[in-house]
Amino acid sequence: RKEVEQDPGPFNVPEGATVAFNCTYSNSASQSFFWYRQDCRKEPKLLMSVYSSGNEDGRFTAQLNRASQYISLLIRDSKLSDSATYLCVVSGYSSASKIIFGSGTRLSIRP
Amino acid sequence: EAGVVQSPRYKIIEKKQPVAFWCNPISGHNTLYWYLQNLGQGPELLIRYENEEAVDDSQLPKDRFSAERLKGVDSTLKIQPAELGDSAVYLCASSPGQGRGYEQYFGPGTRLTVT
Repeated sequence: RKEVEQDPGPFNVPEGATVAFNCTYSNSASQSFFWYRQDCRKEPKLLMSVYSSGNEDGRFTAQLNRASQYISLLIRDSKLSDSATYLCVVSGYSSASKIIFGSGTRLSIRP
Repeated sequence: EAGVVQSPRYKIIEKKQPVAFWCNPISGHNTLYWYLQNLGQGPELLIRYENEEAVDDSQLPKDRFSAERLKGVDSTLKIQPAELGDSAVYLCASSPGQGRGYEQYFGPGTRLTVT
């Protein structure tokens, strides 16, 4: 089993729809969680951090479920510009902790 | 504010040749990362530096890969000799905090093709 797993997709949804995807992790000691966005042939860019209490930034909501060991990303009122690959990142809290990226979930928004 | 700078952006070499990539992190960022990313995969950490110290190089193939970060600022990643399987995008990232869960800022990457 991979340490961090994501559904590769693609998720193909119409503009204006709500879409959500998850990222599961195997190390229960993981403490830090992030969502990154990566456009085709570009570098990853931080989308948002995932806090224990959840995090909302405009149309984007990230949540952490420690009991089931997954984080989620919800996108409301999706835009064409949301089309990208979404990568989750999981790491521990100490300076020696491993930093692990998921393989990403591809999202395609259609007009 | 300038972002993470990487060069070259593209490199094509023949197998068994050496190659080097350079990275200049965001000013003031003490943590520097080198990643390898294959098509359709997430970035895989090769090495992480805290200032000039390599604190995690467990995933670096040390028989052919080497890295250095002299003076704790810019960094160089080298492959010698390159193999066909090394074709990938090599990403450099920097972070304002030490290890743990600080956000990372990525450079544009170096796309390496080994023929």
